Amino acid sequence: NAGVTQTPKFRVLKTGQSMTLLCAQDMNHEYMYWYRQDPGMGLRLIHYSVGEGTTAKGEVPDGYNVSRLKKQNFLLGLESAAPSQTSVYFCASSPSRGGETQYFGPGTRLLVL
Amino acid sequence: AQSVTQLGSHVSVSEGALVLLRCNYSSSVPPYLFWYVQYPNQGLQLLLKYTSAATLVKGINGFEAEFKKSETSFHLTKPSAHMSDAAEYFCAVLTQGGKLIFGQGTELSVKP
Repeated sequence: NAGVTQTPKFRVLKTGQSMTLLCAQDMNHEYMYWYRQDPGMGLRLIHYSVGEGTTAKGEVPDGYNVSRLKKQNFLLGLESAAPSQTSVYFCASSPSRGGETQYFGPGTRLLVL
Repeated sequence: AQSVTQLGSHVSVSEGALVLLRCNYSSSVPPYLFWYVQYPNQGLQLLLKYTSAATLVKGINGFEAEFKKSETSFHLTKPSAHMSDAAEYFCAVLTQGGKLIFGQGTELSVKP
């Protein structure tokens, strides 16, 4: 039981390049989330999904897109990377929203030059 | 709107000393509150959570937190710090929409 996994672990992009971050969970959770972590700002929600085929915007969605084609996977895309998107990205999942614990992946460190 | 404020971005204690990390929340409804820990270069791990049962919540690694509605606080404590407790700690509140709102984080350093 791997829990929540993220690929890649680290990536360097040039401004304007695109990339996709993959999150996978093997706990059959309905809810999945993408956060970004920046120094002194805690974690901020980018997008989330309440089930297969559904997505919704979080606190800081601009410049990102997501897809949840399969229940176990949640993809985060950057169509045209900007230096402001340099951050550490965390994926999380939870069984439901009612007080349930969110389980986090190990993170992806992204540097945009 | 619900929010969380962590007082002190950095706390330093000596090994064996009391650990106290402060968290205040704002919520118009009874909150679900969480403390997560992040060790260097790792993801977040749940320490404990409050879901309107007992006000004193015990978590892993000897940590506990007390929910005080009158003070809108959920401070994290541990009686005796270990070197292995050095990490960043995040307080969070769960919104009615199922989203976690995190505080800014408190980095705990433990001196030998």
